[in-house]
Amino acid sequence: GAGVSQSPSNKVTEKGKDVELRCDPISGHTALYWYRQSLGQGLEFLIYFQGNSAPDKSGLPSDRFSAERTGGSVSTLTIQRTQQEDSAVYLCASSLGTGASQPQHFGDGTRLSIL
Amino acid sequence: GENVEQHPSTLSVQEGDSAVIKCTYSDSASNYFPWYKQELGKRPQLIIDIRSNVGEKKDQRIAVTLNKTAKHFSLHITETQPEDSAVYFCAASKKGNEKLTFGTGTRLTIIP
Repeated sequence: GAGVSQSPSNKVTEKGKDVELRCDPISGHTALYWYRQSLGQGLEFLIYFQGNSAPDKSGLPSDRFSAERTGGSVSTLTIQRTQQEDSAVYLCASSLGTGASQPQHFGDGTRLSIL
Repeated sequence: GENVEQHPSTLSVQEGDSAVIKCTYSDSASNYFPWYKQELGKRPQLIIDIRSNVGEKKDQRIAVTLNKTAKHFSLHITETQPEDSAVYFCAASKKGNEKLTFGTGTRLTIIP
């Protein structure tokens, strides 16, 4: 597709379970970002991948959160031992990532609900 | 790190009137300032952006102004229409690390 694709669109799981969220960026975009949006709140940065550089993990809220990006394309965000406060919409964005700051384009997000 | 403040949190405007949303940022190294529109249950959509080498940018009914000295930037929507109703977010980033720091959002309601 032409846009950023995220799956699943919705995920409901029990507290303590692990979850994996997937992001497929726009073809040719070298930069990929994960953000979190809690109900009625703004967007909170989690992690940023740029090409082959080490990712900026400064926004990850705890060591239960991790992300990887394989082959410079698809990314997965993993949350281990989920807690109720992890409930949010997880948004992925991508950009060209070259030269001057490039516009970030968002996917539809994964709505995560922890019971 | 960067801190972006956004005001007002809610704004109601009569259809046809103008709306202005203001943001301030703390990091003088920030040089890219996008604005996103988010409708209920939808993805944030980029509506306009500005870089630090210009003071104003306009796209039809939407304009953004930037004052680097004061570290603030504003979104102006003229001739508002009902479809402009949404939550608007400002954001900032800097060269070398493109992660966006977002404001807390403004819920804009256009009254028919």
